[in-house]
Amino acid sequence: DAKTTQPNSMESNEEEPVHLPCNHSTISGTDYIHWYRQLPSQGPEYVIHGLTSNVNNRMASLAIAEDRKSSTLILHRATLRDAAVYYCILRVSSNTGKLIFGQGTTLQVKP
Amino acid sequence: DTEVTQTPKHLVMGMTNKKSLKCEQHMGHRAMYWYKQKAKKPPELMFVYSYEKLSINESVPSRFSPECPNSSLLNLHLHALQPEDSALYLCASSQPFEGNEQFFGPGTRLTVL
Repeated sequence: DAKTTQPNSMESNEEEPVHLPCNHSTISGTDYIHWYRQLPSQGPEYVIHGLTSNVNNRMASLAIAEDRKSSTLILHRATLRDAAVYYCILRVSSNTGKLIFGQGTTLQVKP
Repeated sequence: DTEVTQTPKHLVMGMTNKKSLKCEQHMGHRAMYWYKQKAKKPPELMFVYSYEKLSINESVPSRFSPECPNSSLLNLHLHALQPEDSALYLCASSQPFEGNEQFFGPGTRLTVL
């Protein structure tokens, strides 16, 4: 199974942009790149996903490298509520939707 | 309704007990999942049900027994657990295709004494 590599932790100041990197050098051509986050004492929450092109939604943007071996989750203006563990995940190409969670990045947001 | 509910929120059980965790969703999703999460670790997939049939068992010990009685319900039956099975058990659901987001419940915090 393809794996992801993320920094253990990052810090950001409130209302500043945050770029969370992820490496997935063994990704296969049909694996989707998903990002989830987990706030304290909650289940994971979907953030965004993509296959090849950059994606935007109301929560974040996802920038995918041309060779698909890395991606970056972009939070445009971090708030205190964005403090969470962010997981970069490869969704295995099948009809079962298996998610392989990496270790995740703990994001601290300072006021 | 975009919610996955799990009951109970907390469960304490002895090693000889039999208990069940329940998960419910009313989003019409046809894939449901059980994950186990130890403290400060990422969730680990245990089971996947697709169209009410077990499609993935990640080599989970037989003391954990999943059941999907219908497309909205998912159970996890527990028997003769060990203290190391203490963890947060998360349920999720999605449509069973690539790219579809999974919706997670808040989890059941299980403690085995």
